[in-house]
Amino acid sequence: GENVEQHPSTLSVQEGDSAVIKCTYSDSASNYFPWYKQELGKRPQLIIDIRSNVGEKKDQRIAVTLNKTAKHFSLHITETQPEDSAVYFCAATPSGNQFYFGTGTSLTVIP
Amino acid sequence: DTAVSQTPKYLVTQMGNDKSIKCEQNLGHDTMYWYKQDSKKFLKIMFSYNNKELIINETVPNRFSPKSPDKAHLNLHINSLELGDSAVYFCASSQLQGNTEAFFGQGTRLTVV
Repeated sequence: GENVEQHPSTLSVQEGDSAVIKCTYSDSASNYFPWYKQELGKRPQLIIDIRSNVGEKKDQRIAVTLNKTAKHFSLHITETQPEDSAVYFCAATPSGNQFYFGTGTSLTVIP
Repeated sequence: DTAVSQTPKYLVTQMGNDKSIKCEQNLGHDTMYWYKQDSKKFLKIMFSYNNKELIINETVPNRFSPKSPDKAHLNLHINSLELGDSAVYFCASSQLQGNTEAFFGQGTRLTVV
């Protein structure tokens, strides 16, 4: 199956600073890359996604970039707030019904 | 209206027992999954079913047996539970076509004692 690597595993930032999480994938057939946020004790929920025909996507303070040639994609959160503190997962999908997740990044935003 | 629901939310049981976790989705999705999330928070895919047909079985011990009576349900039965099975198990579903998100259930925290 697909192999997704995610870095860093933990990230602490001051409130208002930016946070960047990076992922790489192995299967060139992957064409859909969602990002999930999981708050403590809750289910993972989609925050943004990108498809392989797009290089960048933005939604308010969140943006995702994709480099298909290098097989890596990144999540950027600007103007971080304490409520952004959570575990973030990237995923890659070699086909529509296979979601392979990265190892997660625990983000802490310090007020 | 809960999109993906799984029961029970918590399950505490002794080693050697057999237990089941049920999952239902009302989104009309073609594909359902089981994921295991261990104490390190890794989300590891266990099984993927598409229209009741097994698509992925990711080196899961055969003590784990998924059952999909119809495309809206995917249950997980675990035989001879071991301490290492303690984890949070998430059910999820997605639409096969169009590369859309997977929706997760609330999770079942399994503790084997």
